[in-house]
Amino acid sequence: ETGVTQSPTHLIKTRGQQVTLRCSSQSGHNTVSWYQQALGQGPQFIFQYYREEENGRGNFPPRFSGLQFPNYSSELNVNALELDDSALYLCASTLDGGYNSPLHFGNGTRLTVT
Amino acid sequence: QQQVKQSPQSLIVQKGGIPIINCAYENTAFDYFPWYQQFPGKGPALLIAIRPDVSEKKEGRFTISFNKSAKQFSLHIMDSQPGDSATYFCAAKKEGSGGYQKVTFGTGTKLQVIP
Repeated sequence: ETGVTQSPTHLIKTRGQQVTLRCSSQSGHNTVSWYQQALGQGPQFIFQYYREEENGRGNFPPRFSGLQFPNYSSELNVNALELDDSALYLCASTLDGGYNSPLHFGNGTRLTVT
Repeated sequence: QQQVKQSPQSLIVQKGGIPIINCAYENTAFDYFPWYQQFPGKGPALLIAIRPDVSEKKEGRFTISFNKSAKQFSLHIMDSQPGDSATYFCAAKKEGSGGYQKVTFGTGTKLQVIP
């Protein structure tokens, strides 16, 4: 059973640029969510995808967008990068997102915006 | 708006000690309370979780105590070991429709267990 994998592990971008982060869900999981973890803080929910549709969103602006593909892999896109977007971006997958389905996190992508 | 408050921010204990991490929540609609452990360079991993209809849950050396009326819960680590040194996050989840789940995390407690 393969776990959640994210790529790239580190990324440096300039303010105003766009970035795409990728996530491969754990085998058999059909729900993926993305979290932003600023340094020294807990993860903050960005959004969740279930069967290729966004079905929940946190307090993040529209320049944060995502996709989930038929194989349940996922992308997080951030447009018009700002310095405050510098953070660890975590992808987590679950099976059906149900009550007893814990989040399985990847090791994240460290994004630095200069 | 911080819906889950966690303390202390950091904690240092001797090997064999019992570190205690406390959390408080505001939203009474939360119905699932997990704790996550995160090592440097890794994503958080589920440690133990509890439902609000249970006052205590033990798994190995980890125990959650839950006080629904006070809207507080805590993690105790028995016989702590240097390998327990990590950042611990309490969290709360409200089950939504269509499989939607948003997990709200606390700010984390960095635990160091000294040999």
